[in-house]
Amino acid sequence: QVQLVQSGAEVKKPGSSVKVSCKASGGTFSSYAISWVRQAPGQGLEWMGGIIPIFGTANYAQKFQGRVTITADESTSTAYMELSSLRSEDTAVYYCARSPPKGAMVPDSSGYYKYYYYYGMDVWGQGTTVTVSS
Amino acid sequence: DVVMTQSPLSLPVTLGQPASISCRSSQSLVYSDGNTYLNWFQQRPGQSPRRLIYKVSNRDSGVPDRFSGSGSGTDFTLKISRVEAEDVGVYYCMQGTHWPPLFGPGTKVDIK
Repeated sequence: QVQLVQSGAEVKKPGSSVKVSCKASGGTFSSYAISWVRQAPGQGLEWMGGIIPIFGTANYAQKFQGRVTITADESTSTAYMELSSLRSEDTAVYYCARSPPKGAMVPDSSGYYKYYYYYGMDVWGQGTTVTVSS
Repeated sequence: DVVMTQSPLSLPVTLGQPASISCRSSQSLVYSDGNTYLNWFQQRPGQSPRRLIYKVSNRDSGVPDRFSGSGSGTDFTLKISRVEAEDVGVYYCMQGTHWPPLFGPGTKVDIK
């Protein structure tokens, strides 16, 4: 049974960066997509982006493009999410979540490949609280 | 981009009674392969989300059969046949047909 274990809570200053890790144990890592989903206090779930470790290419939601970087290290079965230029609105719980390998890489009109998360996410990490405060 | 809406946003229920949550999308969720990729998640207080239902009506392993999903096109429903205390939480629909994946705003279920 795969588990995703995330790094601990972070407190950051506005303008700085944060890097959260997500280590998979008990199952296959490389062929599954890993997403990062955040939840601001009292708010809903927001998909930020994802990566398939075996391919190494990440896709990002437009809102976070240029500010988020998602990477994966197959040798340690760990995914990472780095968010830069932090502001108070980034205060949230950040989840990593795994998707079953049943999606599809589909090229858009410009030939850029995007991974379609047809079945959503079936395994979630415990969440990492990131607080941005001066 | 597709827009997901849910109703109601708050649902007080009586233990043992049924509950129903509606999810609507601004565009059809039927994919080019003929499948409809609409999923439901439960988030209990203080916990991570958990997938309950995938592809409209398929229950995940370990999900009680009092949970059922239905719908087509742009209109979908999650039903709880008899609400139990452990069902308290927020329920989200999520579409995977269009890119990017998108969650609905959530419906908070609590006990009257």
